[in-house]
Amino acid sequence: EDQVTQSPEALRLQEGESSSLNCSYTVSGLRGLFWYRQDPGKGPEFLFTLYSAGEEKEKERLKATLTKKESFLHITAPKPEDSATYLCAVQAGSSYKLIFGSGTRLLVRP
Amino acid sequence: SAVISQKPSRDICQRGTSLTIQCQVDSQVTMMFWYRQQPGQSLTLIATANQGSEATYESGFVIDKFPISRPNLTFSTLTVSNMSPEDSSIYLCSVEYYGEQFFGPGTRLTVL
Repeated sequence: EDQVTQSPEALRLQEGESSSLNCSYTVSGLRGLFWYRQDPGKGPEFLFTLYSAGEEKEKERLKATLTKKESFLHITAPKPEDSATYLCAVQAGSSYKLIFGSGTRLLVRP
Repeated sequence: SAVISQKPSRDICQRGTSLTIQCQVDSQVTMMFWYRQQPGQSLTLIATANQGSEATYESGFVIDKFPISRPNLTFSTLTVSNMSPEDSSIYLCSVEYYGEQFFGPGTRLTVL
């Protein structure tokens, strides 16, 4: 069964304190791995799609990487406005369905 | 990117009634999806709605409870029928657009 696990469930950082969020997956034929940011009361905001092991993508203070078993979302020198829930999702095989992890709630304190 | 709007943004309904949620996209897309996010939970796919064909439902979701329409390439509706308090959730529309999936702002439904 296709599965996505995110860790930690919650993360508290001081402003400027860099860290990483983990997304491990078990799927039959990865089609794509997606990262989203979700603020309270809003829909998920698309961040990245990664397709193959070794791929990396960056956007401002965020960098996503992918291996054959997991993905990391690295946050460099975070600011309070980076506080949100970060969701990881995968597409497997020929399906366009997204299978989501439970998310990591990030709080960045000033 | 694709910009998606949903109506209503939120509603409070009585049990036994039905609510239809609208999803509008600013670009023509083949694939649209409806997800549910229960309180404190992550997202679960309800169904895939492709224009010109019947919606495909995931395990645990049935057409009688969640009928979907997809009349054209920019619009879809999801109806939540015969509602119970367990249907209280955020309902989200999403689209596949050039290999990426974008989400609408969601409809927050509370069933009393």
